[in-house]
Amino acid sequence: NAGVTQTPKFQVLKTGQSMTLQCAQDMNHEYMSWYRQDPGMGLRLIHYSVGAGITDQGEVPNGYNVSRSTTEDFPLRLLSAAPSQTSVYFCASRLDPNTEAFFGQGTRLTVV
Amino acid sequence: KNEVEQSPQNLTAQEGEFITINCSYSVGISALHWLQQHPGGGIVSLFMLSSGKKKHGRLIATINIQEKHSSLHITASHPRDSAVYICAVRGGVYGNKLVFGAGTILRVKS
Repeated sequence: NAGVTQTPKFQVLKTGQSMTLQCAQDMNHEYMSWYRQDPGMGLRLIHYSVGAGITDQGEVPNGYNVSRSTTEDFPLRLLSAAPSQTSVYFCASRLDPNTEAFFGQGTRLTVV
Repeated sequence: KNEVEQSPQNLTAQEGEFITINCSYSVGISALHWLQQHPGGGIVSLFMLSSGKKKHGRLIATINIQEKHSSLHITASHPRDSAVYICAVRGGVYGNKLVFGAGTILRVKS
């Protein structure tokens, strides 16, 4: 099993550009989440999904969009990148709320 | 102020030392997770606990639900233990979401 696969690992964007961060898991997990990690702060929830076709906003959703058309995939879209979105992004999945979380390797995004 | 507080923020230890990292939270929860993040790497789950104590190799995690406090202990520390250790809570007012502490940066010198 590959676990949680995130791509790309690194990305540099210009202000105003859009892009999609990919996240896929092969463990048949229902719960998937996107977090951002900034220095001195805990991971913050951007968007999450409790199953295919169901998504909801987290703590810091502005400027990001998600969809969940399949159980396996949960892409995160940056609509118009801003320097404030420079961060490390992590995708995570869980079988259900009461189980451990599995994380992807992270995407280091820089917006210039 | 973080809802989940970790201490210390930074910790440097000599190889072989016994290490304790603390995590405090302010509201009732269902479970607490301890995670490890190596430099430039992904995040790995170490423990998930709701009560008592769990042990895996040289790592021990304890939780006191009444005091809203958890500790992660590393016995006989080794340079390969150098990483960021993160605690996260879920349940109660947080529902199924995970709420994370800011992490403790551990460096073990040989």
